[in-house]
Amino acid sequence: GESVGLHLPTLSVQEGDNSIINCAYSNSASDYFIWYKQESGKGPQFIIDIRSNMDKRQGQRVTVLLNKTVKHLSLQIAATQPGDSAVYFCAERGPAGYALNFGKGTSLLVTP
Amino acid sequence: GAGVSQSPRYKVAKRGQDVALRCDPISGHVSLFWYQQALGQGPEFLTYFQNEAQLDKSGLPSDRFFAERPEGSVSTLKIQRTQQEDSAVYLCASSLFGGAHMNTEAFFGQGTRLTVV
Repeated sequence: GESVGLHLPTLSVQEGDNSIINCAYSNSASDYFIWYKQESGKGPQFIIDIRSNMDKRQGQRVTVLLNKTVKHLSLQIAATQPGDSAVYFCAERGPAGYALNFGKGTSLLVTP
Repeated sequence: GAGVSQSPRYKVAKRGQDVALRCDPISGHVSLFWYQQALGQGPEFLTYFQNEAQLDKSGLPSDRFFAERPEGSVSTLKIQRTQQEDSAVYLCASSLFGGAHMNTEAFFGQGTRLTVV
C-alpha cells in the first residue's frame, strides 16, 4: 500500500551546523504534511506543516520543502542545537482526511 | 489543563487481563485520535472521534480493542484479554476542529506505556 517513509534512520550533526531530514511519500493524493519532533518519553510535538499547494514554508530556525514532482519532503534545521536531539517524524494526511500516516522516524543526534 | 493528559503513564498487565487507558483532551477540542506506537516505530492510527461520534475505527487491530468518548470530552481506550503484542505506547491527540481536510494542529499527550507480561 502507499506509505510515508524516511531515507535515513539516524543523523549525527555538530552543534551549530544545519541539519536536513528527508522523507519520501508515495500517495500523490496527500494534501497536507506535518513534521513532528519526539523526545524520549514524550508524545510527538508539532514543528511545522505544509499544504500541497506550497513548495516551501519557514518557521523559527526550521524550513520545510515540498517537491511534489518527486514526492519528497524535507525538514531543514538551521544552527542545530543540543536541544534539537530527538526523533523526527514526517506525517501525511491519510485518504480519510483526518488520520495522520507517520513514517518510521529519523533520530537526530547533535554533538557539541 | 494546558495540554492533553493521559493516564496512567505506565501500565503493566498480565496476559489476559483487561486494561483501560484514559485521555483528557484539551478543553473544547472537537477531534480526538488514538495512536499506537511500537518501540522504534512511528505512531499508527487506531481510531478517530469527532465530538462523541467515532467516525473511524479502521486502525483498531482486533475486536479486543474498544474506544469511547461518551460526552465528547474524555476518552477511554479499552483492551480486553491483553496479549504480549499489545505492548506499546498508546498516544492520544486532540485538535480544535473536526472534519476531513481540516489543516489543524493535533496536540499529543505523553502516552501510556503498556507492557503485557
